[in-house]
Amino acid sequence: DAGVTQSPTHLIKTRGQQVTLRCSPKSGHDTVSWYQQALGQGPQFIFQYYEEEERQRGNFPDRFSGHQFPNYSSELNVNALLLGDSALYLCASSAYRDGADTQYFGPGTRLTVL
Amino acid sequence: AQRVTQPEKLLSVFKGAPVELKCNYSYSGSPELFWYVQYSRQRLQLLLRHISRESIKGFTADLNKGETSFHLKKPFAQEEDSAMYYCALRKAAGNKLTFGGGTRVLVKP
Repeated sequence: DAGVTQSPTHLIKTRGQQVTLRCSPKSGHDTVSWYQQALGQGPQFIFQYYEEEERQRGNFPDRFSGHQFPNYSSELNVNALLLGDSALYLCASSAYRDGADTQYFGPGTRLTVL
Repeated sequence: AQRVTQPEKLLSVFKGAPVELKCNYSYSGSPELFWYVQYSRQRLQLLLRHISRESIKGFTADLNKGETSFHLKKPFAQEEDSAMYYCALRKAAGNKLTFGGGTRVLVKP
């Protein structure tokens, strides 16, 4: 099991563009959470998907949206990119039915907005 | 709203010396507390959680509800402990993690 995988590894966009980031959860996991980690800060929760629905959302604008597919993989979409969206985007997966519910993180996608 | 504070951005210690990373939280209920670690060029990974009450890689952490703290300790630091450490809080299973700003630990030979 490769664990949580994310693509692409790095991405460079310009202001106003749109971006899609992808995440495949660890085998056996059904829940995907997305976090934004700005340079020098801890990860900040964006939203969580379970059963193809957004279950929780952090304090992020509607420009940030997501999707979960039947195979539990997920996408994070960001519209109208701003310079401040430059960050490492982390995906974490977990098994909701598992009481321990440990979140396993992917390597992240580094987004640079110019 | 929940909040996690790690007051030290950087901790530099010599090999064999004790190390303590501070974590304070604010939350009115009974949260779950975690320590995550990120070694150089590796992904963020769980180090330990307070409900397990176990020692991982020589690290321990005790939840002090009176002081709302969850400090991470190791009596004898090793060079391989050099990493970024994040304290995190969760209201309940299945909920989001709220992270602190992180503490970089540098263990010098």
